[in-house]
Order: sequence, then C-alpha cells, then structure tokens
Amino acid sequence: GDSVTQMEGPVTLSEEAFLTINCTYTATGYPSLFWYVQYPGEGLQLLLKATKADDKGSNKGFEATYRKETTSFHLEKGSVQVSDSAVYFCALGDDKIIFGKGTRLHILP
Amino acid sequence: DTGVSQNPRHKITKRGQNVTFRCDPISEHNRLYWYRQTLGQGPEFLTYFQNEAQLEKSRLLSDRFSAERPKGSFSTLEIQRTEQGDSAMYLCASSSWASGSHSSYNEQFFGPGTRLTVL
Repeated sequence: GDSVTQMEGPVTLSEEAFLTINCTYTATGYPSLFWYVQYPGEGLQLLLKATKADDKGSNKGFEATYRKETTSFHLEKGSVQVSDSAVYFCALGDDKIIFGKGTRLHILP
Repeated sequence: DTGVSQNPRHKITKRGQNVTFRCDPISEHNRLYWYRQTLGQGPEFLTYFQNEAQLEKSRLLSDRFSAERPKGSFSTLEIQRTEQGDSAMYLCASSSWASGSHSSYNEQFFGPGTRLTVL
C-alpha cells in the first residue's frame, strides 16, 4: 500500500541555518503531497501542499517540490528561526491521509 | 472560532471501561475523518464519513471501535472495553468535498485531539 518515509529526528540546528528534511513516498497513482506541522501544545496544521508533479508548495519560507521521478517531497527552508521548532510530518493522500512518522526539529538561538 | 472542535480534550479511564469522544467539524464541511496518533508516530487513518455515510474503515478499527455521524454534522467515536494499547491521541478532521470537482484534493482541517489514557 501507499507509504511515506521521512528522515528520523531529532534534527537540531542553529538559528539561520539551512534546513532540509527528506521525504520519499510510495504510491499507486499520483496523490497530493503535504507537509504538516505540529507546534508544541498545538494541533496539526497544514504547512504546504502540492497536488501534481513538479508543483512547488510554499508557506512561511518553507518549500517542497513534488518530484515524480525520485518520488520525493523534501522540505527546505533557507534560514530557520527558533519559532520553527516543531514536529514536521510528510504525508500523502486525496481522501484518507497517510503520514510519515514525523521529524522533530529543534532550533537553537 | 469556527474550527474543528473535539471533546473532551483529555480522558483517563480504567481498562475495560467504555469511552466516547465527540467531534464537531467546520459547519459547512461534508467529510469527517478520524485518526489515531500514538507517541512518536504520525497519525493513522481510522475511518471517514461523507455526510452521515461511513465510507471507509481501517483495519485498525477493531470491533470494539464504533463511529457514527447520525445527522451528518457532529461525530462520535466510541471505544468499548478499553485496553492499555488504546492509549493515544484521537484526532478528528473535516473537509469540504464536491462531486465533479476537477481535483480530488480536499484540504483537511484538524481538531486539537482527545488524549486518551487507559490505566
């Protein structure tokens, strides 16, 4: 069945560092791809999405591109901030959503 | 606030007891989803409704679990004879889906979850 694999955390970076969180997927067809974020003590929020191949999703300085050839949807940000500390989930689906296990990100001031 | 709401936010129960959770979706949303998230894992799909019809159930949803959405608005998730392995965060999400839409994508909005602890 469909699945998502993302890099394990925790990932610890200094403020203003470049961030990449890798995500690859296995799917029949071409489902929509997502990054969700869960800030401490808060609910799950959609960070960005891409609904077809070569689409780039972006929000709050984060970006991810739907790569059909490499079945990847890596999350990037050029300069992270302390407020970006959270758990990030890569996910896919157009009805039920299938999530990866999550990557905890710590940003140090 | 017009987001998805869930009650209670926390529930502690003893093994063998029954528990029921409620989810109130965004008012105009016709689809409602239940997920379960255990510590250190991503959410896992349990079931979803379109209006009052339950369209899909995961194999994770054992016979002890039942979900309803009687009037196509709020939904309840009941767990009978709870076990310690049922301890998790139960998440509800809703979305708006229209037949004939060009895109199959419909954004799901998540509630804050109900944290269940089974002692």
